[in-house]
Amino acid sequence: EAEVAQSPRYKITEKSQAVAFWCDPISGHATLYWYRQILGQGPELLVQFQDESVVDDSQLPKDRFSAERLKGVDSTLKIQPAELGDSAMYLCASSLSRDRGRELFFGEGSRLTVL
Amino acid sequence: GENVEQHPSTLSVQEGDSAVIKCTYSDSASNYFPWYKQELGKRPQLIIDIRSNVGEKKDQRIAVTLNKTAKHFSLHITETQPEDSAVYFCAAKGQAGTALIFGKGTTLSVSS
Repeated sequence: EAEVAQSPRYKITEKSQAVAFWCDPISGHATLYWYRQILGQGPELLVQFQDESVVDDSQLPKDRFSAERLKGVDSTLKIQPAELGDSAMYLCASSLSRDRGRELFFGEGSRLTVL
Repeated sequence: GENVEQHPSTLSVQEGDSAVIKCTYSDSASNYFPWYKQELGKRPQLIIDIRSNVGEKKDQRIAVTLNKTAKHFSLHITETQPEDSAVYFCAAKGQAGTALIFGKGTTLSVSS
């Protein structure tokens, strides 16, 4: 069964350092999402891609976060510089399209700890 | 934009009892309402979903109901089992093309 791949699974870094997370969606999925999940809360959307284009990044803290999906396949989420409050699980998800009713498939996530 | 409220935040039941989790949403244009289950340390997985042209949907021990007038929907789990213990998230999808917005989650504990 095809799955969304993410790496690294765990990342520990000191504040002010740069971190990067990678996601490879299910083959053929045009829509890719990055969500942030703080412990004990629901996933919060950071950015949505349709193919290589950003559809929604209204909740992305653009002063320190950036995301790209250059060839419309895999994606990278970067944080520079990392802050203590960025400690969270970063979940990547993909779906066939943006249409309503299209199931989101999540990766296992990248857990970030900022010291 | 869409806002989803979910309650209760924690729910403890005895094995065999029923569990109900409720969510409200703000965007009347929302048309798709999935429920995800997240076991400890694992990824969220879709367990059931409902679209606005349907009032209720059942899948074995799980059912979801939708009241579009009141803008709320609920997850019902009957004959709960210890393996139902997990965090459950409701979500809503607003205007076409927008992303799913999730509730804050309900931690369900089923004791045997």
